Order: sequence, then C-alpha cells, then structure tokens
Amino acid sequence: EDQVTQSPEALRLQEGESSSLNCSYTVSGLRGLFWYRQDPGKGPEFLFTLYSAGEEKEKERLKATLTKKESFLHITAPKPEDSATYLCAVQGLYGGSQGNLIFGKGTKLSVKP
Amino acid sequence: DADVTQTPRNRITKTGKRIMLECSQTKGHDRMYWYRQDPGLGLRLIYYSFDVKDINKGEISDGYSVSRQAQAKFSLSLESAIPNQTALYFCATSLASGNQETQYFGPGTRLLVL
Repeated sequence: EDQVTQSPEALRLQEGESSSLNCSYTVSGLRGLFWYRQDPGKGPEFLFTLYSAGEEKEKERLKATLTKKESFLHITAPKPEDSATYLCAVQGLYGGSQGNLIFGKGTKLSVKP
Repeated sequence: DADVTQTPRNRITKTGKRIMLECSQTKGHDRMYWYRQDPGLGLRLIYYSFDVKDINKGEISDGYSVSRQAQAKFSLSLESAIPNQTALYFCATSLASGNQETQYFGPGTRLLVL
C-alpha cells in the first residue's frame, strides 16, 4: 500500500534559522513526488515536483531533494511569511488508483520574527 | 481571475439535506478531482474524472456523488448530509501529460453539517 509520512508534525523556527522537513514514502514505482504549501483556510499551492532520486529543485528560500525512500524540503533563512503547512504527496506508477496522489498529513511551520 | 473556482466558499446545512458543491476551471485541464480535508487526516480523494464520460470513485466515496457537466465543470453532491461530512472540500485539476502531471487546487469550500 502506498504511504506517505511527514515529520515533524509541527516545527517552530526563529527567523533566519534554517531547517528541513522530511517526507518518507513507500510506493510501487514512483511517478512523481509533489510538495505543496497550504495557508490556513486556503487551497494547497503547488511548489515542486520531483521525479527521480538525486533530483533537486529550488525556489527562493526552499529547496526540495529526493532519494529512493524520502524527500526533504530545506528552508534556508526562513522569514515569517514562510509560515504555513507544507504537504507532501506521491503519485505511483501502478495500481488501481491509476496514479492518484497520496498525501501526507503535513508539517505545520511557524517562523517567529 | 482564479483558474479554479469553487462555490459556495462556506456552507452551513442540516442533517439530511441534499447539497451540491460546484467547481469550475479555466485552465483547459481534462482531469478533475474532489478531496476532503479533516484535521489530523490530511487530504483524501472522494471522486475523480479523467474526462466527461470517465468518473471514478476515490478512497472515500460513500455518501457522495458527482457530475461532470462539461470539461470545465465538476460538481460534488451530498445526497443526505450527516455531521461527520463536516470538512474542508477541495477541487483540483490536472492535465494528462505523459509522466508529468501536476494537480492544481481551488480555494476550498468549508462545509458545516449540523
């Protein structure tokens, strides 16, 4: 069964304090791993897609990396506006779900000034 | 204008009532999805549609039905609402494109069933 586990559930950082969020996954053939940002009461906002181990993508203070078992979202020198819940999802190649997204429960990030 | 819109944004209803949530998109995508989000449970797939004539059940379809009226419109109905259907509901769209397919989400509908 495809599964996604995110850790930690919540993370509190001081402004400028770099850290990483973890997404561990099991899937029968990875088609893609997705990172989304979600602000309270709003829809998830797409950040990155990673397709193969070793791939990295960057956007402003965020950098996503991928291995065969997990992905990390590195946040460098975060600002208060980076506060949000970060969601990880995987899409498998096989199975009856035809590659639908399986989401983790998210990591709630709070950045204090 | 937003690419994916949902109406209503907020809805309060009573147990046993039938309600419909609507989703429209201007992205030209062929695939559309309905999810619900509950605290501590994450996003779960209710129904999905790969085109107007292709509708499929997701992980938690019991108590829900859908209609794909056109490529750009996908509606979710609760036939007889119950309190444990209180949740945030999101519509999403994607474009089938080989192995690269990203889902884009609407702003959500907050539903309260009393």
